[in-house]
Amino acid sequence: AQTVTQSQPEMSVQEAETVTLSCTYDTSENNYYLFWYKQPPSRQMILVIRQEAYKQQNATENRFSVNFQKAAKSFSLKISDSQLGDTAMYFCAFTGTSGTYKYIFGTGTRLKVLA
Amino acid sequence: SQTIHQWPATLVQPVGSPLSLECTVEGTSNPNLYWYRQAAGRGLQLLFYSVGIGQISSEVPQNLSASRPQDRQFILSSKKLLLSDSGFYLCAWRLAGFYNEQFFGPGTRLTVL
Repeated sequence: AQTVTQSQPEMSVQEAETVTLSCTYDTSENNYYLFWYKQPPSRQMILVIRQEAYKQQNATENRFSVNFQKAAKSFSLKISDSQLGDTAMYFCAFTGTSGTYKYIFGTGTRLKVLA
Repeated sequence: SQTIHQWPATLVQPVGSPLSLECTVEGTSNPNLYWYRQAAGRGLQLLFYSVGIGQISSEVPQNLSASRPQDRQFILSSKKLLLSDSGFYLCAWRLAGFYNEQFFGPGTRLTVL
């Protein structure tokens, strides 16, 4: 069975600093997609970044980048120049490509950006 | 562009009362649709998903049910609510046939008293 693990329930970072959120997953599939979602206090789930497993290059979106290590089954999110608006719950998610319709979510990391 | 709507935004219901939450998607056809529940401070629990009109897959046996009467409409229902049904309910969609990201609605906060 596929699993997604986020081992950091809570983290904090000073404004303008860099923080890395960890995510590991387990799957027997060779091709799949990984995502990071942000859930601010409004509770709206917002896609931050996605990575396709067959792509070697790590995805980046402005201040957000990932470190995708396929062999280690690791998918960490780096937030550079942290801003107060980055304060949110962050979820790592996985979906396979072998005909599945399901997404597997981690339990989340609560990030607080300190002024 | 595509948008997803959920209503109501907030709902307070007594134990034993019925429930109907609605989700609609605009700007796309034949989306895959999903219902999730999120308990306070917790992750997302997949409840139901649908790949087409009238096609519902249930992930968790409980007193909830789902229906998809139209292509872009997804309804979550219960005949009799339990205290344990309280939570935040999220509807999501993705393009059919694509293993890409899901897009989420704004959610419904349900409190059962």
